Amino acid sequence: GAGVSQSPRYKVAKRGQDVALRCDPISGHVSLFWYQQALGQGPEFLTYFQNEAQLDKSGLPSDRFFAERPEGSVSTLKIQRTQQEDSAVYLCASSLQAGGSYNEQFFGPGTRLTVL
Amino acid sequence: QQQVKQSPQSLIVQKGGISIINCAYENTAFDYFPWYQQFPGKGPALLIAIRPDVSEKKEGRFTISFNKSAKQFSLHIMDSQPGDSATYFCAATRSGGYQKVTFGTGTKLQVIP
Repeated sequence: GAGVSQSPRYKVAKRGQDVALRCDPISGHVSLFWYQQALGQGPEFLTYFQNEAQLDKSGLPSDRFFAERPEGSVSTLKIQRTQQEDSAVYLCASSLQAGGSYNEQFFGPGTRLTVL
Repeated sequence: QQQVKQSPQSLIVQKGGISIINCAYENTAFDYFPWYQQFPGKGPALLIAIRPDVSEKKEGRFTISFNKSAKQFSLHIMDSQPGDSATYFCAATRSGGYQKVTFGTGTKLQVIP
C-alpha cells in the first residue's frame, strides 16, 4: 500500500468494553510502533515490534493493554475493560529497518478512541 | 517525566513572517532530533531532522538550530504560509536499536493571511 493504514478511524466504546485496533504497516517494514496521543499532547510510546517479536512494551499503561503482530505484518492493539482515561488517538508507525542510523518512522492516521 | 519540553503551546504568525518554536531536552543519550508536522486527522510526518554534531540544518524555508551545550534546539519557518498551519512536534531519539521517539507537547501554528 501507499502508506500505513489504521482501522477503524473512529471507535466509541462504553466503559468496560473491549476494543481492538488494527494497523497495516507499509509492506516489508520490519519495525512497528504504537503510540498514544492524548488530546493536545504529543504522542507517547506504547510498544515496539521487530517483525513478530515484541521487544519493548514498557509504555503500555496497564495490563489491560495488549498488542500482537503474529506474522510480522499486521498488528492489533487490544484494550480490555476500557476506561475513560483510555480515550485518545492511537497511532501506529512503521520503519523499514531497525538499528543503525535513524530509520524514518511513517505514521498512520490514527484511531480516535472515545470511551463513554 | 517530560524529557522533551516545547514552547510555545500555540503561535499565531502573519503570512510572510517567521515562526519560531523552541525545545529543550534532558537525556544526553539522545543523538537524533526530528521535527514532525501534523495536520488535523492525520498522523505526524517527518519534516526535518538534525544530529547534535551539526549546529544548523536548512531545508527550504525550514531551519533547525541546535545548541548541544544548552541542550536546546529550535525550528524556524521562514516566509510562513497559511499552508504551514499545523501542529509541530519536536522530538528526540537514539540511533541504533529500534529508535523509539520521545515527542514534545506540540505547538499549534496558525498563519493568518
